[in-house]
Amino acid sequence: DTEVTQTPKHLVMGMTNKKSLKCEQHMGHRAMYWYKQKAKKPPELMFVYSYEKLSINESVPSRFSPECPNSSLLNLHLHALQPEDSALYLCASSLGTAETQYFGPGTRLLVL
Amino acid sequence: GQQVMQIPQYQHVQEGEDFTTYCNSSTTLSNIQWYKQRPGGHPVFLIQLVKSGEVKKQKRLTFQFGEAKKNSSLHITATQTTDVGTYFCGRSSGGSNYKLTFGKGTLLTVNP
Repeated sequence: DTEVTQTPKHLVMGMTNKKSLKCEQHMGHRAMYWYKQKAKKPPELMFVYSYEKLSINESVPSRFSPECPNSSLLNLHLHALQPEDSALYLCASSLGTAETQYFGPGTRLLVL
Repeated sequence: GQQVMQIPQYQHVQEGEDFTTYCNSSTTLSNIQWYKQRPGGHPVFLIQLVKSGEVKKQKRLTFQFGEAKKNSSLHITATQTTDVGTYFCGRSSGGSNYKLTFGKGTLLTVNP
């Protein structure tokens, strides 16, 4: 298995909803990442997990809560989001933190 | 992380013409990575350059890393419609807080 999968592909949520994004890889990668990408902009790093421990939080608001239950899974829990949080949320993984990152297809999130 | 400046922001070419995008940094880079993102898609890793003056080729794509390791370029010879997308360069910061920071990208459109 040589890919990163993300679910759901699309998500529409209200500002009072709680939802979760899921990312999975079975390549034995020990680093996993969440990025946020707005239209016509580059991906911006949100969180880095290394060996299932959070190693970088790029000052992301607490309404985004990451979780790494095991080495293959990465979740992003969403609560009380704002319309400006609408974006493409990309998950990536790499063998180690200094290795090539492989991106999943992303979840397109719309907050109403 | 520190930014890399990427130019041009947009490039429209006729099929068969060549295309080049450039990344520049004010500080020495440990390495530079290139990604391609098709419209509606996710970033796909193309290559990593590490050595001063390095040149790597992938079919019609030629990647260069400057002698001073402060700039890099991606050149596509004889563009095809399949080359359409946004090309991002990315710089990595080293150490325990390793992270990848992308340039703003160059959107390439190709007129058949």
